[in-house]
Amino acid sequence: GNSVTQMEGPVTLSEEAFLTINCTYTATGYPSLFWYVQYPGEGLQLLLKATKADDKGSNKGFEATYRKETTSFHLEKGSVQVSDSAVYFCALSGDSGGTSYGKLTFGQGTILTVHP
Amino acid sequence: DAGITQSPRHKVTETGTPVTLRCHQTENHRYMYWYRQDPGHGLRLIHYSYGVKDTDKGEVSDGYSVSRSKTEDFLLTLESATSSQTSVYFCAISEVRGGGETQYFGPGTRLLVL
Repeated sequence: GNSVTQMEGPVTLSEEAFLTINCTYTATGYPSLFWYVQYPGEGLQLLLKATKADDKGSNKGFEATYRKETTSFHLEKGSVQVSDSAVYFCALSGDSGGTSYGKLTFGQGTILTVHP
Repeated sequence: DAGITQSPRHKVTETGTPVTLRCHQTENHRYMYWYRQDPGHGLRLIHYSYGVKDTDKGEVSDGYSVSRSKTEDFLLTLESATSSQTSVYFCAISEVRGGGETQYFGPGTRLLVL
């Protein structure tokens, strides 16, 4: 079945540092890939997505590139802010030709804390 | 904002009691989902619905049932709550927007089973 593996956390950074959160996946066909963010006490918000190989999703200074050859979708940001402190989830939705289409499989989440 | 509300937002109950959580959406989305969030597991799919009275099981459906008698409401029921069902429950809808299908989530219900 489908699976998503995220780098272990928590991750602690100073403001303006570079951020990478690794995400790799196992799936058949061509899944869609997502990053969601959860701020303290809130629900999940879509951060960015990519629907085909070599697509780059971007939003709010965050970027992730869909790499089929390495089955990865790593999240990056060049300069983090205190307000980026949150839990980040990588997820995939199965290929439209398969039974897992539309059902999200999540990684375990990575807690990011940014200090001033 | 996908117009999703969940009720109640917080609930404390005792083992063995029935509990029903409600998800309400205002934008006529066909697909709706229930997930639970637990530390170290991310979110896991409990049940989903692809239309009125059309539902199916997800990854962790044991101990849960769902119903959808109207497009706008998707109910999750714990017939006899257990402590292992203490969790945060999220409802989601899916929408095709900007290329591909994307899920949007409600604010969550925090359930404590004593």
